[in-house]
Amino acid sequence: SSELTQDPAVSVALGQTVRITCQGDSLRNYYTTWYQQRPGQAPLLVIYGKNSRPSGIPDRFSGSSSGTTASLTITGAQAEDEADYYCNSRDSSGNHWVFGGGTKLTVL
Amino acid sequence: QLQLQESGPGLVKPSETLSLTCTVSGGSIISTNYYCGWMRQPPGKGLEWVGSIYYSGSTYYNPSLKSRVTMSVDTSKYHCSLKLNSVTAADTAVYFCARGSMVRGVNGAFDIWGQGTMVTVSS
Repeated sequence: SSELTQDPAVSVALGQTVRITCQGDSLRNYYTTWYQQRPGQAPLLVIYGKNSRPSGIPDRFSGSSSGTTASLTITGAQAEDEADYYCNSRDSSGNHWVFGGGTKLTVL
Repeated sequence: QLQLQESGPGLVKPSETLSLTCTVSGGSIISTNYYCGWMRQPPGKGLEWVGSIYYSGSTYYNPSLKSRVTMSVDTSKYHCSLKLNSVTAADTAVYFCARGSMVRGVNGAFDIWGQGTMVTVSS
């Protein structure tokens, strides 16, 4: 299967920890990339590879994976973390990319 | 710092061809370590990968769009283009170009994105 499944919406209290998950068969073989998208803006890369952050991404963002499930964890969520989050990985061919449907994170 | 900017008509008629260009400033978008990708996002919906083009000239397209998509890059490597033919209202979306990185460890992730350009398909 080339689909990636995410929960449509997740909420977290300010300062607490939240995990956003992504499920898909291809995740067993390929790393998951995570993007943050605020309203009206372009997606921003937040996690890539095994668990790497681009320069400028706070260390409260981390990624992990087990089997067919990948997770993005925000430890100590801040108001500015409220956004849509998309997982992304290659499909079984390795040549095509697939995005999850996105998770809308609300920080309460 | 590398910046990407999409450009093209904001309105395309049904059955016609959508043509967009991604212009790069501050460097080239394609090299042995980097490639050009296009994504789109219909209003209120999620991201969809459209296709990618590599330094070798190899192209890979979303299977759902493959028969209608063509991507190219100019010889200077500063422009990456997307053509989508026989468009319908379902192709109405914000279209993003992005740089994909093949640098060791990055695994092809799209690390730099343009701001996106809205394309509406309507008569």
